[in-house]
Amino acid sequence: EAGVAQSPRYKIIEKRQSVAFWCNPISGHATLYWYQQILGQGPKLLIQFQNNGVVDDSQLPKDRFSAERLKGVDSTLKIQPAKLEDSAVYLCASSLVGGSSHEQYFGPGTRLTVT
Amino acid sequence: RKEVEQDPGPFNVPEGATVAFNCTYSNSASQSFFWYRQDCRKEPKLLMSVYSSGNEDGRFTAQLNRASQYISLLIRDSKLSDSATYLCVVNVGKLIFGQGTTLQVKP
Repeated sequence: EAGVAQSPRYKIIEKRQSVAFWCNPISGHATLYWYQQILGQGPKLLIQFQNNGVVDDSQLPKDRFSAERLKGVDSTLKIQPAKLEDSAVYLCASSLVGGSSHEQYFGPGTRLTVT
Repeated sequence: RKEVEQDPGPFNVPEGATVAFNCTYSNSASQSFFWYRQDCRKEPKLLMSVYSSGNEDGRFTAQLNRASQYISLLIRDSKLSDSATYLCVVNVGKLIFGQGTTLQVKP
């Protein structure tokens, strides 16, 4: 079974530039999550989708971050404009259903460096 | 106060040693609990769930004390391959991760 796919794996941009990340969850997984993991910290949930609807985006900095999952399958996360403090690994995860009671499977992440 | 607190370590232990990690959480309404493992520059992976009755998976034993809001992970007979960061995770309707405890097992 294919795992969660993410691209790109690495991205270096200058502050104030824009960047987008892509995620394709495990086939059949209705719930998709985007996490931000800053060096030395645990992952922090940015947004959770159930099919193509947003379940929780309370920790998404909406002035600069946006995410969509238009067809209920793959998803994109965008940052515009980027700040130095956005340097982190952006992890996408998926699970069969939501409620956090089911195991979440993580993708390899996109490592973003903002200079 | 952080919602999930862990000692970041690192814990440096010889092969064959027994090592224990602890974690405390602040939300008494937390629903379920997990330990995830994260290898260097890799994604987190579920190691085991944690139940009030305690649970064991081979060399790994997890315990939960709801009254003290405390979770533990015990690793017996440490192997070199156990070297990783262990993330304590609490479900409050969404997963809240601790910062992780780094284990380095030395030959």
